[in-house]
Amino acid sequence: GDSVTQMEGPVTLSEEAFLTINCTYTATGYPSLFWYVQYPGEGLQLLLKATKADDKGSNKGFEATYRKETTSFHLEKGSVQVSDSAVYFCALSEGGSYIPTFGRGTSLIVHP
Amino acid sequence: EAGVTQFPSHSVIEKGQTVTLRCDPISGHDNLYWYRRVMGKEIKFLLHFVKESKQDESGMPNNRFLAERTGGTYSTLKVQPAELEDSGVYFCASSQVSSAIGTQYFGPGTRLLVL
Repeated sequence: GDSVTQMEGPVTLSEEAFLTINCTYTATGYPSLFWYVQYPGEGLQLLLKATKADDKGSNKGFEATYRKETTSFHLEKGSVQVSDSAVYFCALSEGGSYIPTFGRGTSLIVHP
Repeated sequence: EAGVTQFPSHSVIEKGQTVTLRCDPISGHDNLYWYRRVMGKEIKFLLHFVKESKQDESGMPNNRFLAERTGGTYSTLKVQPAELEDSGVYFCASSQVSSAIGTQYFGPGTRLLVL
């Protein structure tokens, strides 16, 4: 079956540091890939997505590139802020299915 | 526009008790979904309503869980009797049409702790 593997957290960084959160996946077909973010006390929000190989999703300074050859969708940001502290979830869905496969989530803590 | 709301935000109960979680979707959204994240693991799909009908309940773990959506507005998820392994965060999401997760709007979740 499909699966998503994220790096273990928490990830602790100082403000303005470079961020990478690794995500790799296993899927039978050609999935769409997503990053969701959950800020404290709020619901999951779609951060960015990519629907085919080599697509780059970007939003709020975050980027992730759909790498079919390495089955990866790593999340990056060049300079993190304290306000980026949250839990980040990588996810996939196949064929437009509304039943997603999520990773375990990675907590990011950014210190001033 | 109000987002998806869930009540309560936290619940602590003893094993064997009953708990009812509530989800109010965004007004006008016919599709409502329940998910669960158990003890820092993956978020797992539980079920999907279209209006008041259960479209897909393949993710419901067992018959201790009962979901309803009378009138096609808010939904409740009842756990009876609760077991220790039911502890986790229960998320609700809604969407205007059946869609991939990219267009579902999620609530903040209910954190359930069963002692």
